[in-house]
Amino acid sequence: IQLTQSPSSLSASAGDRVTITCRASQGISSYLAWYQQKPGKAPKLLIYAASTLQSGVPSRFSGSGSGTDFTLTISSLQPEDFATYYCQQLNSHPLTFGGGTKVEIK
Amino acid sequence: EVQLVQSEAEVKKPGESLKISCKGSGYSFSNYWIAWVRQTPGKGLEWMGIIYPGDSDTRYSPSFQGQVTISADKSISTAYLQWRSLEASDTAMYYCARRAPQSEYSEYWGQGTLVTVSS
Repeated sequence: IQLTQSPSSLSASAGDRVTITCRASQGISSYLAWYQQKPGKAPKLLIYAASTLQSGVPSRFSGSGSGTDFTLTISSLQPEDFATYYCQQLNSHPLTFGGGTKVEIK
Repeated sequence: EVQLVQSEAEVKKPGESLKISCKGSGYSFSNYWIAWVRQTPGKGLEWMGIIYPGDSDTRYSPSFQGQVTISADKSISTAYLQWRSLEASDTAMYYCARRAPQSEYSEYWGQGTLVTVSS
């Protein structure tokens, strides 16, 4: 299953609302996770089951979607949110990741 | 506190063998699947395979089947990723990650092991 993320990069300012999309090549129900990765660090789980916030993750992060189209939204971008975001399908092996979306400071 | 601590960075020559490790602590290591994920600038994140330390049940991505060996020693709470003959294309950061119970997402990640293969 291929995952296509868009955009591949974006520039935004602190306080902006940011939306990242992830499209699956076939239906995956709600078997999708989102991760955040900062330079030199391992990915960090943000959301699983498409919309369930991982414990400890700020509520400004939210996820939605099912089937083939999914969205990660950051309601008000904070300085610590500048990072690369990846989606991952959990529907079937081999698990696959999207190509990533780099969120940069405008 | 759940922790996955990976072995240090490695520099190897093509054709050499290598085994990197991932030691779990703070939980019952035998009862949670451990995945290995490769990251390169060109191909991004790639799921390589997964192992259940309790009985060593292992699943591989077709892209990595036959190229690497995933194993685990539950007596020392450690999972391994092994190559018999490295190639330059194996140069990458490798992460281990603990799978959540009853789901496939990775809750906890190791810090990563950088493998460099160069003549």
